[in-house]
Amino acid sequence: RKEVEQDPGPFNVPEGATVAFNCTYSNSASQSFFWYRQDCRKEPKLLMSVYSSGNEDGRFTAQLNRASQYISLLIRDSKLSDSATYLCVVNGNSGNTPLVFGKGTRLSVIA
Amino acid sequence: NAGVTQTPKFRILKIGQSMTLQCTQDMNHNYMYWYRQDPGMGLKLIYYSVGAGITDKGEVPNGYNVSRSTTEDFPLRLELAAPSQTSVYFCASSRGQGGDAFFGQGTRLTVV
Repeated sequence: RKEVEQDPGPFNVPEGATVAFNCTYSNSASQSFFWYRQDCRKEPKLLMSVYSSGNEDGRFTAQLNRASQYISLLIRDSKLSDSATYLCVVNGNSGNTPLVFGKGTRLSVIA
Repeated sequence: NAGVTQTPKFRILKIGQSMTLQCTQDMNHNYMYWYRQDPGMGLKLIYYSVGAGITDKGEVPNGYNVSRSTTEDFPLRLELAAPSQTSVYFCASSRGQGGDAFFGQGTRLTVV
């Protein structure tokens, strides 16, 4: 099983739609979880951290399910500007190992 | 606040040439990373460092070397460039292992 797995998409949704992405991770000892956004030909940027109790930032909601080892990202009222690749990120296996990135899920919001 | 700065932004190398990709951060982060991203693919970790004087291999270290003599700088050296090293290279830094990472704008490298 890969460390971090995501459905690559693409997800093509109309403006105003609600869309959800899931991500599974293999290391049950992982402690930190994030969603990053990457625009075409740009660097990844932090979208939001994911907390155990779930958290919301405007139209974005992140959830963590430790028992099933997955995290999710829900985007409500999609905007054209939400079109990007969304990367699931988990901290590494042990000690000093760094963040592990999923390959990303591509979202296209269509007018 | 500059964050993470990478130079150069673009470079074309001939097979067998060498070069150093520069990365510097001004956030006093202990952790620094080098990733490569091939077209349409995810990020692959090349090398990382948890502090000055300490470096470790990532998933794809072959053909690369790094050094970390200061907290701020983490250069990536390509020896004997090969076409397989054509990619976009991202440097990143974070406060700690669990901290969120900040990325530079990337270096687009083509080896011909």
